[in-house]
Amino acid sequence: QQPVQSPQAVILREGEDAVINCSSSKALYSVHWYRQKHGEAPVFLMILLKGGEQKGHEKISASFNEKKQQSSLYLTASQLSYSGTYFCGTALEAGNNRKLIWGLGTSLAVNP
Amino acid sequence: DVKVTQSSRYLVKRTGEKVFLECVQDMDHENMFWYRQDPGLGLRLIYFSYDVKMKEKGDIPEGYSVSREKKERFSLILESASTNQTSMYLCASSSDFPYEQYFGPGTRLTVT
Repeated sequence: QQPVQSPQAVILREGEDAVINCSSSKALYSVHWYRQKHGEAPVFLMILLKGGEQKGHEKISASFNEKKQQSSLYLTASQLSYSGTYFCGTALEAGNNRKLIWGLGTSLAVNP
Repeated sequence: DVKVTQSSRYLVKRTGEKVFLECVQDMDHENMFWYRQDPGLGLRLIYFSYDVKMKEKGDIPEGYSVSREKKERFSLILESASTNQTSMYLCASSSDFPYEQYFGPGTRLTVT
C-alpha cells in the first residue's frame, strides 16, 4: 500500500532538470508532495487531486496520471536550494484524506 | 504564517522513564499528527487526532499514547521509554481540505 518513489536518489548540476515519480498499486484520491532539507522539517509543495485540481507553489509543477496511479514532480532549471529529500504522501479516499501514506523519499542533491 | 512548535529540539532520557513530547499549533487546525522519522524508513505515523479528545492509531502506535485536551495542543507520551524509541519525532497539523500538513521542527529523542 505504501507508494513507491523513484529514483531513490539523484544528483544534478545547477540548471539541470529532474523528475521524481510516486507510484501506487491502489487507486488514489490525492497525492501530496513535500520537501525536507537536511536538518529541517518537511515543507508542503503541492497537492494533486483526482479530477485534476492542484494546489501548490507556482514554481513547482507536477502531474497526476489517474490511469497509472502515478504522480510526477518536475524540477526544472534546478537551483542549489532544491536540494533535500522529496516525499510523496497519498490518500486513497476523499473521506480519508487526513491520513497520508508516505513514500520513503527521494534524495536530491544539486551541485554548483 | 502557520507555526507548529515542539517543546524540545533535543531530549535525552533513560530506559523506563515516562516521556512527554508536546506540540502546539497556532492556526486553529482540526487535525494533528505525531510521526517518527528514522533513516531509510521515511515518515511513520504514530497517532493522529481529528478533534479535541479524538484520536486514531497510526501505523506504529505500540509503546505510545497521546492526549489532546485542547485544540491547539497534542501530546505524545512514551509510558516507559525504551532504546528502540530513539528517533526523530515530528509533529504536524492540518486544516480540513486540502489537508496540507505543517510540520514542527522535530524533537530528537535519545533513550539510553
